[in-house]
Amino acid sequence: DQQVKQNSPSLSVQEGRISILNCDYTNSMFDYFLWYKKYPAEGPTFLISISSIKDKNEDGRFTVFLNKSAKHLSLHIVPSQPGDSAVYFCAANGDNNNDMRFGAGTRLTVKP
Amino acid sequence: KAGVTQTPRYLIKTRGQQVTLSCSPISGHRSVSWYQQTPGQGLQFLFEYFSETQRNKGNFPGRFSGRQFSNSRSEMNVSTLELGDSALYLCASSPWTGANYGYTFGSGTRLTVV
Repeated sequence: DQQVKQNSPSLSVQEGRISILNCDYTNSMFDYFLWYKKYPAEGPTFLISISSIKDKNEDGRFTVFLNKSAKHLSLHIVPSQPGDSAVYFCAANGDNNNDMRFGAGTRLTVKP
Repeated sequence: KAGVTQTPRYLIKTRGQQVTLSCSPISGHRSVSWYQQTPGQGLQFLFEYFSETQRNKGNFPGRFSGRQFSNSRSEMNVSTLELGDSALYLCASSPWTGANYGYTFGSGTRLTVV
């Protein structure tokens, strides 16, 4: 039961351009969404989050957009840097729900 | 402050054996969650412990179990290992129960079943 889906397993972008990573979810009870970044041989690290009461949250080069009606969120990275190359996981959590559901991840490669 | 510590980092076991993985959360964190990561499946939730009690459990067979000690350290046990159990097992700690408080992940234990 994949409640959080990242349909693009990989994405390649040129340095300086925008990276857009997408995520869809099926459970309308989810009310908090997060993006994690993972380098090889390391655990995921928290990147940015958004509550369902908002439609946008920005932190430096990273912006997350939430479209509740479409059950879709996206992560924008502008400008992309080679150090951003990693696997990005989208995650969602529901009120009174103690577990966080993750997508399968998207491998981002930023080419110099 | 020290991060989340998982031991061992790598493990090779034979089918049918059992294995115990350990996780020490960030000092002061009381919630520990376990995830299994396999290629193409992302992170699959195993269970969460808070104050020595299992708060939630994912869709894994009973061969997967865990516990949490009074110092918040947690162990995960897998019995009768199968080849499909080969994965990266990640532990995440949080100050309180509920993912909205933010997870900090450890580097994981890479389990290979042969």
